Amino acid sequence: EPEVTQTPSHQVTQMGQEVILRCVPISNHLYFYWYRQILGQKVEFLVSFYNNEISEKSEIFDDQFSVERPDGSNFTLKIRSTKLEDSAMYFCASSEASGRSYEQYFGPGTRLTVT
Amino acid sequence: GQSLEQPSEVTAVEGAIVQINCTYQTSGFYGLSWYQQHDGGAPTFLSYNALDGLEETGRFSSFLSRSDSYGYLLLQELQMKDSASYFCAVRDSGAGSYQLTFGKGTKLSVIP
Repeated sequence: EPEVTQTPSHQVTQMGQEVILRCVPISNHLYFYWYRQILGQKVEFLVSFYNNEISEKSEIFDDQFSVERPDGSNFTLKIRSTKLEDSAMYFCASSEASGRSYEQYFGPGTRLTVT
Repeated sequence: GQSLEQPSEVTAVEGAIVQINCTYQTSGFYGLSWYQQHDGGAPTFLSYNALDGLEETGRFSSFLSRSDSYGYLLLQELQMKDSASYFCAVRDSGAGSYQLTFGKGTKLSVIP
C-alpha cells in the first residue's frame, strides 16, 4: 500500500539553526500539507500546497517557515532560524485531488528537538 | 475562532461499545473527519461525514448533525488494539485547500 514517508525521523538542532524536513507524498496525490504536534497536544495545521504554490497557511506559519517542492517527488519544510518552541513532531500529509480528497494520509513524522 | 470539544479520556471494556462525542464551532464547515493516533504514531484516517447521518465502516461508525454542530465516533466490539487517541477534525475551508482543524483528542483506554 502506498504511504507517505518522512526523513529524518528525529532531528536535533541548536536554537537559531536552519532545518529542512523532508517528505515524499504518495505519488498520485496533488495536495500536500504540513502539520505539527507539540508533545501531548493536538495536531495543528501549518500549510497546504497545491499546484506548486501555497494554498493556505496558518498563523503559526510565519516568515521563518517555507515550503518547497524541489522535484517531482519531494516536499520540504524549512525553518530558517529555529526557536525552542519549534520543538514538536512535524507531520507531512497528502491527499488526492478529487474523489476522496478529504482523506489525508499522514507520514510517520519527524521529531524536531531544538536545544 | 475555531473550537472543537471532545472528552479528554474515555475508558471502556474489551468487547463493549464506546461513543466519542465532538462538538464544533468553526467559521466554515465542509465536513467532519475522525483520525486515530497510537502513541508515537501518525494520525490515521477513520471516517468522514459531509452530510447528516451515519457512516459505517466495519466496527467503526461516525455520525454527523450539521444543525447541532455535533458528531460522534462509535466503536463496537472493542479490542485492546483500539486503545489510542481519537481526534475529530473539521474541514473548514473550501475549494483550494482541505486543511483540517483538529480537536484536542480523546484518549481511549480499553481494559480487559
